[in-house]
Amino acid sequence: DAGITQSPRHKVTETGTPVTLRCHQTENHRYMYWYRQDPGHGLRLIHYSYGVKDTDKGEVSDGYSVSRSKTEDFLLTLESATSSQTSVYFCAISEWTSGGETQYFGPGTRLLVL
Amino acid sequence: QQPVQSPQAVILREGEDAVINCSSSKALYSVHWYRQKHGEAPVFLMILLKGGEQKGHEKISASFNEKKQQSSLYLTASQLSYSGTYFCGTGLNTGKLIFGQGTTLQVKP
Repeated sequence: DAGITQSPRHKVTETGTPVTLRCHQTENHRYMYWYRQDPGHGLRLIHYSYGVKDTDKGEVSDGYSVSRSKTEDFLLTLESATSSQTSVYFCAISEWTSGGETQYFGPGTRLLVL
Repeated sequence: QQPVQSPQAVILREGEDAVINCSSSKALYSVHWYRQKHGEAPVFLMILLKGGEQKGHEKISASFNEKKQQSSLYLTASQLSYSGTYFCGTGLNTGKLIFGQGTTLQVKP
């Protein structure tokens, strides 16, 4: 399972409140990703990180920020949650082998914004 | 540009075969296939790196046609455990993956 955990696993919050989701990995992977998954849209990249303090935007980054102060932790923050951010959020890491790059996903966080 | 998967959904009986296609409007460097069970995380199946490459994983295999910018996933003699949603992820020259919208596969006894 690539040693990825996410917390919390479920969260209900109200519109306008800040929310932080945590992704923790134990295998010193350099690349980490945050995706959101919504019906009919598949997995969409929010932000990614290629090292400590090195992050970049994905295709749906508006309303989200990230931080990575340690290799093992990648935080996703919704500064002021909106109902459109109700989704399932997955963290992923990249692992390179002779067969190429593979992304492995954490268990996900279900977020409901009321 | 999100790759397009077809069909969107398919229902099979055990033992039947299925093909899931993934097409991109942009040049592809790699194609990644994942399966996701309901309520779970996507699980990596295989990656194809070169045009014309084919790979197999038990009774699940895939091909990659670089010229046509498409990949196909083949499921033969399907089992109940194959049920789930299949995603292709296309690797561009940016190193990031762009995922298709998914194909839901249901295998019935």
